[in-house]
Amino acid sequence: KQEVTQIPAALSVPEGENLVLNCSFTDSAIYNLQWFRQDPGKGLTSLLLIQSSQREQTSGRLNASLDKSSGRSTLYIAASQPGDSATYLCAVLIKAAGNKLTFGGGTRVLVKP
Amino acid sequence: GAGVSQTPSNKVTEKGKYVELRCDPISGHTALYWYRQSLGQGPEFLIYFQGTGAADDSGLPNDRFFAVRPEGSVSTLKIQRTERGDSAVYLCASSLRVVRGSYNEQFFGPGTRLTVL
Repeated sequence: KQEVTQIPAALSVPEGENLVLNCSFTDSAIYNLQWFRQDPGKGLTSLLLIQSSQREQTSGRLNASLDKSSGRSTLYIAASQPGDSATYLCAVLIKAAGNKLTFGGGTRVLVKP
Repeated sequence: GAGVSQTPSNKVTEKGKYVELRCDPISGHTALYWYRQSLGQGPEFLIYFQGTGAADDSGLPNDRFFAVRPEGSVSTLKIQRTERGDSAVYLCASSLRVVRGSYNEQFFGPGTRLTVL
């Protein structure tokens, strides 16, 4: 059974510092890995999707890497801002599981002004 | 265009009662998913519809949970004899038709927060 783990569970940084969020998964037979942002009382917003054949994806200040062989992904957020405060979730789509996403527990991020 | 909508946004009920949670997917999306997110955890898959039929209901925790999508659009998640452990945020997502070997991005609604007293 695929397990997805996110460390740390919570993170607090001063504004301007770079953020590094980690995600690990146990089954390397994945189609893709996706990073989401979740604000309180809101749904999930997709940030980046990395296909299994890719090593990284970038969007603005966000960069996500994928190392399938070691079962790891890292989300980097450069020059953090208070508006980046949210919970960040990673999710994998595994080949044996059809179209359902398997999520990690999330990392709660607080960026202090 | 409009995103995925879910009603109600909040539902408080008493143990043993029956509840229905509704999801309106993005127009044109034939695939619809339900996930459950307990406090401090990531969402967990419950059930997935392709059109009107449940293509995968392996995540439903027990037979108190049931979901329907009679016309291939709106879906209702039904929970009988609710228990305190059912308290969670129930998220709905939709996507374009799922084709074997490919992935269509899932778009999530804001969720329904269910509290069972």
